[in-house]
Amino acid sequence: DTGVSQDPRHKITKRGQNVTFRCDPISEHNRLYWYRQTLGQGPEFLTYFQNEAQLEKSRLLSDRFSAERPKGSFSTLEIQRTEQGDSAMYLCASSPRTFPGYTFGSGTRLTVV
Amino acid sequence: AQSVTQPDIHITVSEGASLELRCNYSYGATPYLFWYVQSPGQGLQLLLKYFSGDTLVQGIKGFEAEFKRSQSSFNLRKPSVHWSDAAEYFCAVGAFSGSSNTGKLIFGQGTTLQVKP
Repeated sequence: DTGVSQDPRHKITKRGQNVTFRCDPISEHNRLYWYRQTLGQGPEFLTYFQNEAQLEKSRLLSDRFSAERPKGSFSTLEIQRTEQGDSAMYLCASSPRTFPGYTFGSGTRLTVV
Repeated sequence: AQSVTQPDIHITVSEGASLELRCNYSYGATPYLFWYVQSPGQGLQLLLKYFSGDTLVQGIKGFEAEFKRSQSSFNLRKPSVHWSDAAEYFCAVGAFSGSSNTGKLIFGQGTTLQVKP
């Protein structure tokens, strides 16, 4: 068990560019979550998958955001046409369907300049 | 609406002193409650969780928390704080039962703990 891995750890991008983040959950966990955390705030739920199915999306997830989890393994979160307001820490977590076992990754810090 | 409130944004305690971080929640069903700690630039580490049973929960690093249903509170305590406890602490409530069994967590705003030598 190597925990939840996120890549990259840091990303600096220019406004208007597209970015993609990757999350590798704990292998036996079939649930995967994405959260966004801005400075001075707690994490906010974005979306979650059970296996490959995306079961819930927050209203925070605008049309510029898309998440996938092909084959129910790793997940990607893509942000198109990035805006300065997208600057945040993006956290991934995984859990087995039978909670407990909610484990967070170290996050991807996005800075849009 | 489900929500978590951490009334204290910033707390400073002396090393060796006791600590209590407050957390109040609003949740329609049986709450699943958590405390996480986050060091700068890092992810979240689970300190402890409450699902049911004994309302006093023991966690890692010498932390404990008490669930009080009548007060809708889940305060975190530690008898003697160490300098390494300086970090940000988040209380969260989760949807893990019935039709809302999504596992989604709702976090408070966080409390930043500073430890004076």
